[in-house]
Amino acid sequence: KQEVTQIPAALSVPEGENLVLNCSFTDSAIYNLQWFRQDPGKGLTSLLLIQSSQREQTSGRLNASLDKSSGRSTLYIAASQPGDSATYLCAGTGFQKLVFGTGTRLLVSP
Amino acid sequence: DTEVTQTPKHLVMGMTNKKSLKCEQHMGHRAMYWYKQKAKKPPELMFVYSYEKLSINESVPSRFSPECPNSSLLNLHLHALQPEDSALYLCASSRGPGTANEKLFFGSGTQLSVL
Repeated sequence: KQEVTQIPAALSVPEGENLVLNCSFTDSAIYNLQWFRQDPGKGLTSLLLIQSSQREQTSGRLNASLDKSSGRSTLYIAASQPGDSATYLCAGTGFQKLVFGTGTRLLVSP
Repeated sequence: DTEVTQTPKHLVMGMTNKKSLKCEQHMGHRAMYWYKQKAKKPPELMFVYSYEKLSINESVPSRFSPECPNSSLLNLHLHALQPEDSALYLCASSRGPGTANEKLFFGSGTQLSVL
């Protein structure tokens, strides 16, 4: 059974810092790895999807990498802004099913 | 239109009530999902519909009854719920099941409180 863990559980940084969120999964037989953002009480917004044949994806200030052999993915956020404050979830995708990580709550202070 | 629309946004119901959650998408997606999310926890899969047929039921209690009337609509019928069923219920869709590299689109959810 796929298990996904995220470290740290919470992170507080001042505006402008570069930061890294970590995601670990137990089953390397995943199809792809997605990163989502969730604001309090809201739905999820897909940020990046890394296909199993890829090693990284970039969108604006976000860069996500995937290393299936080590069971790890990282989300890099450059020049963080207060608007980046949210919970970030990674999810490994098998056939039709996403298994979500435990999430990292990020607070970026002005 | 890249939205998944869920109604209502908030719902309060008693344990003897019957209510329904609705989800709609007009992206031509052929797979639709229900997830349940408790506070400060990750979403957990409940049901998957593939081409309007139920393909996955994650051992969800029968007091939750999903329905997919057509490829754009997904309902979740609720009956005799328990207070522990209070949660954020999320609907999602994707282009099609079984394609390994598809992106999921989530609605903003229905916050359900069972009294």
